[in-house]
Amino acid sequence: DAKTTQPNSMESNEEEPVHLPCNHSTISGTDYIHWYRQLPSQGPEYVIHGLTSNVNNRMASLAIAEDRKSSTLILHRATLRDAAVYYCILRRSGGYQKVTFGIGTKLQVIP
Amino acid sequence: KAGVTQTPRYLIKTRGQQVTLSCSPISGHRSVSWYQQTPGQGLQFLFEYFSETQRNKGNFPGRFSGRQFSNSRSEMNVSTLELGDSALYLCASRTASGNYNEQFFGPGTRLTVL
Repeated sequence: DAKTTQPNSMESNEEEPVHLPCNHSTISGTDYIHWYRQLPSQGPEYVIHGLTSNVNNRMASLAIAEDRKSSTLILHRATLRDAAVYYCILRRSGGYQKVTFGIGTKLQVIP
Repeated sequence: KAGVTQTPRYLIKTRGQQVTLSCSPISGHRSVSWYQQTPGQGLQFLFEYFSETQRNKGNFPGRFSGRQFSNSRSEMNVSTLELGDSALYLCASRTASGNYNEQFFGPGTRLTVL
């Protein structure tokens, strides 16, 4: 299974954009890039996913490198409620896979 | 629509005992996955069930087992508990129809082994 690499932690000032990187150099052509986040004392929640093109939704934007070996989750304006652990995972579109979320990136938002 | 529910929310057991955790998926979701979360290892995949069949299994010893019922509710069992089994156990459900879709996680069961 393809793996992802993320920094253990990042800091951001409130109301500033945040760019959370993820490296996935062994990604295959059928792997989608998914992001989840886990707020304190909660289970993870879905944020966004994409295959090749950049994606936007109400929560965030996902920028995918042209060679797909890395991606960046962009929070356009960090708020204190965005303080969470962010996970980048790879999944094929169908079937059943062993997907491990790992440790993720702990984002601290400074007021 | 009600979210994923897990019971109990907290559990304290002693070494050598066994434990059963329960997960009720979102109505209409037929796939249930289980994860173990610890500070050092992060969120690790245990197994996934769909239509009462285990579809995939993570790298955990045979002491960890699960099952799924016809109403898609799932249970996981850990036998002969060890101190290292102390963790937050999360379950997640998805529709599992067609292409992959997002998982919805429950709040987890916090297991402490003394």
